Amino acid sequence: EPEVTQTPSHQVTQMGQEVILRCVPISNHLYFYWYRQILGQKVEFLVSFYNNEISEKSEIFDDQFSVERPDGSNFTLKIRSTKLEDSAMYFCASTKGLAGIGELFFGEGSRLTVL
Amino acid sequence: AQKVTQAQTEISVVEKEDVTLDCVYETRDTTYYLFWYKQPPSGELVFLIRRNSFDEQNEISGRYSWNFQKSTSSFNFTITASQVVDSAVYFCALTQSGAGSYQLTFGKGTKLSVIP
Repeated sequence: EPEVTQTPSHQVTQMGQEVILRCVPISNHLYFYWYRQILGQKVEFLVSFYNNEISEKSEIFDDQFSVERPDGSNFTLKIRSTKLEDSAMYFCASTKGLAGIGELFFGEGSRLTVL
Repeated sequence: AQKVTQAQTEISVVEKEDVTLDCVYETRDTTYYLFWYKQPPSGELVFLIRRNSFDEQNEISGRYSWNFQKSTSSFNFTITASQVVDSAVYFCALTQSGAGSYQLTFGKGTKLSVIP
């Protein structure tokens, strides 16, 4: 069964460092998302991406965050200068269509620990 | 603004008991979708169900059933004859379908522990 894959599964970094989280969405999907979950808290929407551009973003997704689809398969989330409060599980998700057309499939998450 | 409330933070049941997880939502949209996701201890998010706002029929899938009541803005989830493998955090979520986006608003989750 096709799945969304994320790497790394866990990354530890020093505050102020840049981090890139990678995702390979399901191959025929067109819409891509990043969500995050601070430990023990709810899952929060960060950004959606379609047709090579951001379609929506939350207030969490500030200037230190960026997303990119550098090639036909990868979808990346970059955090330019990590802060302690960026420590969280980051989930990539993809879907074939809009709500009501396709299911939203999540990856297994990338746990980011900022020291 | 949209909001999803899962008032039960943690629930413990003994195996084989039935358990209902509550979800109440707020939205100004007339068209929307509701979801339930399961997050086992391993951390991934597993899709369980999607329901659109026009479909108030209850749904049953094996031991799982969902009760959608638009009048009370609730979308409750029942597990019948619970099993240890059901132990997980369960999230209810809401999205606006007008724009079609999967910008989900999640509840805080209910941690279910099924005791053997």
